[in-house]
Amino acid sequence: KAGVTQTPRYLIKTRGQQVTLSCSPISGHRSVSWYQQTPGQGLQFLFEYFSETQRNKGNFPGRFSGRQFSNSRSEMNVSTLELGDSALYLCASSLSWATRRGYTFGSGTRLTVV
Amino acid sequence: DQQVKQNSPSLSVQEGRISILNCDYTNSMFDYFLWYKKYPAEGPTFLISISSIKDKNEDGRFTVFLNKSAKHLSLHIVPSQPGDSAVYFCAASEARGSGGSNYKLTFGKGTLLTVNP
Repeated sequence: KAGVTQTPRYLIKTRGQQVTLSCSPISGHRSVSWYQQTPGQGLQFLFEYFSETQRNKGNFPGRFSGRQFSNSRSEMNVSTLELGDSALYLCASSLSWATRRGYTFGSGTRLTVV
Repeated sequence: DQQVKQNSPSLSVQEGRISILNCDYTNSMFDYFLWYKKYPAEGPTFLISISSIKDKNEDGRFTVFLNKSAKHLSLHIVPSQPGDSAVYFCAASEARGSGGSNYKLTFGKGTLLTVNP
């Protein structure tokens, strides 16, 4: 069974640009969550989607947005990139948004903003 | 305001000995706790969890202890193996929302465990 797939694995963008990251959950999983990992802040919750609806949102500015498609694949978008957006972006999927055992994470997309 | 704190950024242990990783939390609404392990260039993988109605949960070499009055949990690895060398994240969730619950995870900053042969 394939795991959570995130593309691309690595990305370099210039400050002010926008970026779109993609996540394909495990087959049958309908909930997708996004986390940002930085050395100073650890893993911080961005948002969670279930059945194409955003169920929960973290404390990030409006430049960070996401969506989920009918096949459960999800994308997150960051507009007007800042240097501080450089991080590892992790996607995680679970069977339902009410899971209590946590998620299965992908390997992440390493975004570098220069 | 960090609700989940892992105060030790790193820990070094000899192979075969016990590794103890600690985690403190401030939100009394947290009722489910998890530990994840993360290798470089990989996503975190679920290790073990514990509900707030328990004070101990064991899975092979891994045991998690929860002290609710102290708002403290710990992960014990016995015996430690070189392959256990990784970053360990403590995470917590609380039931919230209506018509069900939204279980977002709040993570600590992680502890780098190094097990020396």
